[in-house]
Amino acid sequence: SQKIEQNSEALNIQEGKTATLTCNYTNYSPAYLQWYRQDPGRGPVFLLLIRENEKEKRKERLKVTFDTTLKQSLFHITASQPADSATYLCASLFSGGYNKLIFGAGTRLAVHP
Amino acid sequence: DVKVTQSSRYLVKRTGEKVFLECVQDMDHENMFWYRQDPGLGLRLIYFSYDVKMKEKGDIPEGYSVSREKKERFSLILESASTNQTSMYLCASSLSGVKNNEQFFGPGTRLTVL
Repeated sequence: SQKIEQNSEALNIQEGKTATLTCNYTNYSPAYLQWYRQDPGRGPVFLLLIRENEKEKRKERLKVTFDTTLKQSLFHITASQPADSATYLCASLFSGGYNKLIFGAGTRLAVHP
Repeated sequence: DVKVTQSSRYLVKRTGEKVFLECVQDMDHENMFWYRQDPGLGLRLIYFSYDVKMKEKGDIPEGYSVSREKKERFSLILESASTNQTSMYLCASSLSGVKNNEQFFGPGTRLTVL
């Protein structure tokens, strides 16, 4: 079955460093991958989308890459700040249609001052 | 500002009760979704709807039903609540026919079944 996997361990980094989160997919080839941010007790918020024919996408301090050979997307936050602390979810379109997304379990990021 | 609202942030019910969770979106979106989120399991799709009165089962529909009588409103029903349905429930909506299928989420309802 189509699956998305993210590192379940929390990522702890120092303020100012670059955070890198990983999303791996198996058993399908998604046309795109999305990244969402979720704060405790709140719903996820869409951040970025990268298509299979794009190697890299940037938005302010965020950068996403898509490697179809490795079946992986990397999500980077440069010059990280404590306010970036949250859980980050990776998602892709289910190939069976209906605009349905498959979500990873998310990786919690903690940025320490 | 686009908005998805859910009827309750916190809800406590007893085993066997019928529970209604309501979701309303003001963006004229065709698609609406109900997920539950549990630690370590991520977001799991319960049901979704791509049009009024249309519904499709997601990955974990057992014990749930849905209703979509109006475009803006999508209700999740727990016919007879059980303790294993204690969870965070998230509603989302999205447009059809767009390339990115970004989903907009509500704030969530944390349901506890005693």
